[in-house]
Amino acid sequence: KNEVEQSPQNLTAQEGEFITINCSYSVGISALHWLQQHPGGGIVSLFMLSSGKKKHGRLIATINIQEKHSSLHITASHPRDSAVYICAPASYSNYQLIWGAGTKLIIKP
Amino acid sequence: DTGVSQNPRHKITKRGQNVTFRCDPISEHNRLYWYRQTLGQGPEFLTYFQNEAQLEKSRLLSDRFSAERPKGSFSTLEIQRTEQGDSAMYLCASSFGQNSGNTIYFGEGSWLTVV
Repeated sequence: KNEVEQSPQNLTAQEGEFITINCSYSVGISALHWLQQHPGGGIVSLFMLSSGKKKHGRLIATINIQEKHSSLHITASHPRDSAVYICAPASYSNYQLIWGAGTKLIIKP
Repeated sequence: DTGVSQNPRHKITKRGQNVTFRCDPISEHNRLYWYRQTLGQGPEFLTYFQNEAQLEKSRLLSDRFSAERPKGSFSTLEIQRTEQGDSAMYLCASSFGQNSGNTIYFGEGSWLTVV
């Protein structure tokens, strides 16, 4: 079993829809990162969470440490949100990022 | 621009040649990471530095790979006797602090194609 499970693996939605991407992990973590990767490589850090909820513009990230689960939400989705979203918990033991497989999101106009 | 800078951005090399990539982290970031990403896969951890000390290396970092961060600022990743399987994007990232409870900033990556 993978240490980090993301779902869905692929998601296609219409512009304006509310998007949810889920992440479950099985290891003890010090923090959890949500990352965005556009075609061509560039990775952008969206959020770093150790508890609760964070909001940045149309993006919201939540984490439940007890349940070892985090979600990334996008409100009023837009085609420019199309990217791969990666959940990456940081291991409690050595602080290294444990990469999820990513969710490929396509927002159609 | 004060982000993480990597160069070269693209490198095509013949099998057997050596290549070196450079990463300039955000200044004052004490932690620097190298990852490798092949097409369609997530990044794989290679190594990280805290200041000039290389604290951990993945088993993926074979004898042909070496990374340095001599003065605790920029880092280099060298691949000797390149093989076709080394074709990938090599990502550098940096952060500040003692743990991963701080935001990690990524470079744009260096694409390597071994022909």
